[in-house]
Amino acid sequence: AQRVTQPEKLLSVFKGAPVELKCNYSYSGSPELFWYVQYSRQRLQLLLRHISRESIKGFTADLNKGETSFHLKKPFAQEEDSAMYYCALELSGNTPLVFGKGTRLSVIA
Amino acid sequence: GAGVSQSPRYKVAKRGQDVALRCDPISGHVSLFWYQQALGQGPEFLTYFQNEAQLDKSGLPSDRFFAERPEGSVSTLKIQRTQQEDSAVYLCASSLSSNEQFFGPGTRLTVL
Repeated sequence: AQRVTQPEKLLSVFKGAPVELKCNYSYSGSPELFWYVQYSRQRLQLLLRHISRESIKGFTADLNKGETSFHLKKPFAQEEDSAMYYCALELSGNTPLVFGKGTRLSVIA
Repeated sequence: GAGVSQSPRYKVAKRGQDVALRCDPISGHVSLFWYQQALGQGPEFLTYFQNEAQLDKSGLPSDRFFAERPEGSVSTLKIQRTQQEDSAVYLCASSLSSNEQFFGPGTRLTVL
């Protein structure tokens, strides 16, 4: 079965420090990978997806098929980045997402 | 435009009671998904529709759970004879064809 693993429940970093949120997946095919974010008192929203290869709010993520990873990175964390981050996998277009358990990022001033 | 809406936002039910959760997707969105999110966990798939057709219901935990989308727009998730383990946030999402799922605010169900 497909699985997404986010090993860190909580990650605390100082403002201005680099951030890396880890995500590993298990699937033998070629999935589509996403990062969703939930800010305090807001709904879950898409942050970025691997097929677009874009940087959103300074975040990037590279799909590494060899290591089956899709880690989320930002060189300089900001306080407004504090949120819950979920890595998700989709087997094919417009099908249900498989989510990891999430990592809470706390950026300390 | 309006996003995905869900009602009620909070529901407290006594064990054994039936509940109905409503989802209004973004107008024109073909696909509609239901997820269950237990405390401290990520969302887990329950079922999904393409227009009015229920394409996959493999995630429904038991036959007490039932979902419908009769006119291909609004969807209702019904839980019969609620149990304490049904307590969770129920998320609805809709999408057009761009892979991006747009989520509603969720309904927090507490079963006493």
